[in-house]
Amino acid sequence: AQSVTQLGSHVSVSEGALVLLRCNYSSSVPPYLFWYVQYPNQGLQLLLKYTSAATLVKGINGFEAEFKKSETSFHLTKPSAHMSDAAEYFCAVTTGTASKLTFGTGTRLQVTL
Amino acid sequence: KAGVTQTPRYLIKTRGQQVTLSCSPISGHRSVSWYQQTPGQGLQFLFEYFSETQRNKGNFPGRFSGRQFSNSRSEMNVSTLELGDSALYLCASSLDDRGETQYFGPGTRLLVL
Repeated sequence: AQSVTQLGSHVSVSEGALVLLRCNYSSSVPPYLFWYVQYPNQGLQLLLKYTSAATLVKGINGFEAEFKKSETSFHLTKPSAHMSDAAEYFCAVTTGTASKLTFGTGTRLQVTL
Repeated sequence: KAGVTQTPRYLIKTRGQQVTLSCSPISGHRSVSWYQQTPGQGLQFLFEYFSETQRNKGNFPGRFSGRQFSNSRSEMNVSTLELGDSALYLCASSLDDRGETQYFGPGTRLLVL
């Protein structure tokens, strides 16, 4: 079985500041890890995906995440926040043996002037 | 390439009724998964269909069912609606390999009165 823990249901940063959204996973087999973003009244949009090819994964809109097996973490970062980054972010895990995604509880990112 | 489409986008039903939601996957995608999103329970996996067969099922009562057609389009049905079924229902499609990225539609927002 796999699970995801997202620390911090709400994160607030100033525009131009570093964004750090935390995700820790649990999986008995090598995981596939994802970050999705959800804007109000919309579905989920893929930001990036880890599939063991490289531990540092670059995604869209300047986001990146680093897979750290020793820490079972897959934190999402962006060097400089923009107002348009305000949304809810979900970390998810699956394995190569199933298509089911297990999601974290989400982190709402607020960006202030 | 067109994305995942879901119809209808909004629905209002009363307790005891049944509802059918539709999902058209990205062209060429053979796997369709359904998720329920609520403020209390977050994102939860309902089921996954591949080549017209249910390949995986989440922990939901039998009132929730689905099917997939030969063109990969999928429908989910909820019978005997309860107030707690009010949610955003998200459909996602992916290529046939497990662990592949799932691409989400905009969702159907169901309100049960």
